[in-house]
Amino acid sequence: GAVVSQHPSRVICKSGTSVKIECRSLDFQATTMFWYRQFPKQSLMLMATSNEGSKATYEQGVEKDKFLINHASLTLSTLTVTSAHPEDSSFYICSARGQADGIFGQGTRLTVV
Amino acid sequence: GNSVTQMEGPVTLSEEAFLTINCTYTATGYPSLFWYVQYPGEGLQLLLKATKADDKGSNKGFEATYRKETTSFHLEKGSVQVSDSAVYFCALTSMGLSGGGADGLTFGKGTHLIIQP
Repeated sequence: GAVVSQHPSRVICKSGTSVKIECRSLDFQATTMFWYRQFPKQSLMLMATSNEGSKATYEQGVEKDKFLINHASLTLSTLTVTSAHPEDSSFYICSARGQADGIFGQGTRLTVV
Repeated sequence: GNSVTQMEGPVTLSEEAFLTINCTYTATGYPSLFWYVQYPGEGLQLLLKATKADDKGSNKGFEATYRKETTSFHLEKGSVQVSDSAVYFCALTSMGLSGGGADGLTFGKGTHLIIQP
């Protein structure tokens, strides 16, 4: 079946550095990808929607200059957390939609120290 | 706007017990409803879905019926197993009034299910 591969699964970075997270759709083309953030013991919150070849649409309250999203091809979207701070530590998960339902990646646990 | 409310956990049951996890929603348009499961250390997996009123989604012994009159989509399973221990998320996407675009999902807070042998 359709698979979404998200990389890395875990990353630890120093405060002030940037981190890039990749989300790839395997065996299908994803015209739309979604990025979510999950805080401990809380729900997933939609951060942004990215469409291949166009700018991402960010949800209210999400800083687009801090969370850079690029969807350069039909199989790859990237989320870059710029100038990361400890409060950015969270679980980030992508979802790719090329079929009727979104397929989720495995998620990335980001820890900023 | 859209919202999903589901019962808070953790829910602890013995193996072979009957399971119900309540989920209610508010949404504009004609939402599709989903249940996702997240096993420890893994991402989300679609468990089942229903796209219109009175539809019943089912998978792996789990089922849920789209009840428009009560705006509910309760998850049920007749006999749970230890391997069902996970976090379950109710979610919706509203496809109607938005013009049918590819909307992101609105999730409930998740219910942690613990099945004891």
